[in-house]
Amino acid sequence: QKEVEQNSGPLSVPEGAIASLNCTYSDRVSQSFFWYRQYSGKSPELIMSIYSNGDKEDGRFTAQLNKASQYVSLLIRDSQPSDSATYLCAVRSGVRGNQGGKLIFGQGTELSVKP
Amino acid sequence: GAGVSQTPSNKVTEKGKYVELRCDPISGHTALYWYRQSLGQGPEFLIYFQGTGAADDSGLPNDRFFAVRPEGSVSTLKIQRTERGDSAVYLCASSLSRDSTPGANVLTFGAGSRLTVL
Repeated sequence: QKEVEQNSGPLSVPEGAIASLNCTYSDRVSQSFFWYRQYSGKSPELIMSIYSNGDKEDGRFTAQLNKASQYVSLLIRDSQPSDSATYLCAVRSGVRGNQGGKLIFGQGTELSVKP
Repeated sequence: GAGVSQTPSNKVTEKGKYVELRCDPISGHTALYWYRQSLGQGPEFLIYFQGTGAADDSGLPNDRFFAVRPEGSVSTLKIQRTERGDSAVYLCASSLSRDSTPGANVLTFGAGSRLTVL
């Protein structure tokens, strides 16, 4: 089992729709979760971080975390063609106490928003 | 610096050669990470430093790979006897610290060094 799993896609949604991206992780002690966006040929850039169970909203983006189910998701409302990119889920793993841990990435989900 | 700087941006080498990739993190960031990304895959963890010491090098694929950060700032990833399978984009990232305090451990990536081994 991979430490962080995502559907590779591609996920295609029409402009204006909601895009839903999902991620599961295996390390039960993980405390920090991130969504990065990566445009083709570019490096990953952070779009959301979440640390507590529940929802966290930032503009058109909502991250959802369920530690009991070891599940993280990202919702993109009113999807735009400029949202077309690969979305990477990342989980801080191997944490001991309040220190340490490496960020483990899933393989990414390619999102395509069609005008 | 203002961002994470990586050099060279592109490196083409021949099988068996030695390669060094350099990373200059954001000023004041104590944690530095190296990842490798192949086409269609997510970044694969290699090693991370807290200060000068390697806190976790469990991702280095074999003993041909080595990384240093002698003064706690700039880091160099060294690859000996390169193989075609080493071809990838090598990403460096830094964060304020490795502390799990929200915000402190957010990674900022450099533009990457694309390595091609012929």
